[in-house]
Amino acid sequence: EAGVTQFPSHSVIEKGQTVTLRCDPISGHDNLYWYRRVMGKEIKFLLHFVKESKQDESGMPNNRFLAERTGGTYSTLKVQPAELEDSGVYFCASSQGGSYNSPLHFGNGTRLTVT
Amino acid sequence: AQSVTQLGSHVSVSEGALVLLRCNYSSSVPPYLFWYVQYPNQGLQLLLKYTTGATLVKGINGFEAEFKKSETSFHLTKPSAHMSDAAEYFCAVRRASGGSYIPTFGRGTSLIVHP
Repeated sequence: EAGVTQFPSHSVIEKGQTVTLRCDPISGHDNLYWYRRVMGKEIKFLLHFVKESKQDESGMPNNRFLAERTGGTYSTLKVQPAELEDSGVYFCASSQGGSYNSPLHFGNGTRLTVT
Repeated sequence: AQSVTQLGSHVSVSEGALVLLRCNYSSSVPPYLFWYVQYPNQGLQLLLKYTTGATLVKGINGFEAEFKKSETSFHLTKPSAHMSDAAEYFCAVRRASGGSYIPTFGRGTSLIVHP
């Protein structure tokens, strides 16, 4: 089966611009997670979808970040307007269930650089 | 709140030497603990997990970890390091959130293996 895919793999934008990251989960996986890692720091949780619903968005840093998952398939994460501190690697993961035993499958990440 | 702390951002060992990567957790309830590995330009892969039962868990690539409740630790070990083990390793705990369990990660430890 195809794994979790993320587009683009790299993005370099200027402060104030808009960027949209995309995640295609494994087919049939209802749970989709977004994480971000700023260099040298922990991988920080952003939000969790179950199908098209936002189950937990407690990690979203502010209202410049907007995540969607229309139709419960792929998800997008838009940053508008981007700030320097938004630079980092954005990971997406999916799982079939949401239990403690449900394995997460990660994408390779999108490296975002804001200059 | 459930969290994990990884001691040491970098660990350096010689090929064939013991690998020990440290992780301590904070949890008011029995934790569900995981170790993930990330190779360069790839997503995270599950190495092993502890949920219930045997406290010594074995994972892929010869790694194992022991859950020690008295020490609130879940350290990762491998008897003999191989060059291919060079990667970044993340400890994680899954916290309950609205019926699901969200992984919360540590800062990661880079394992460097010298010939």
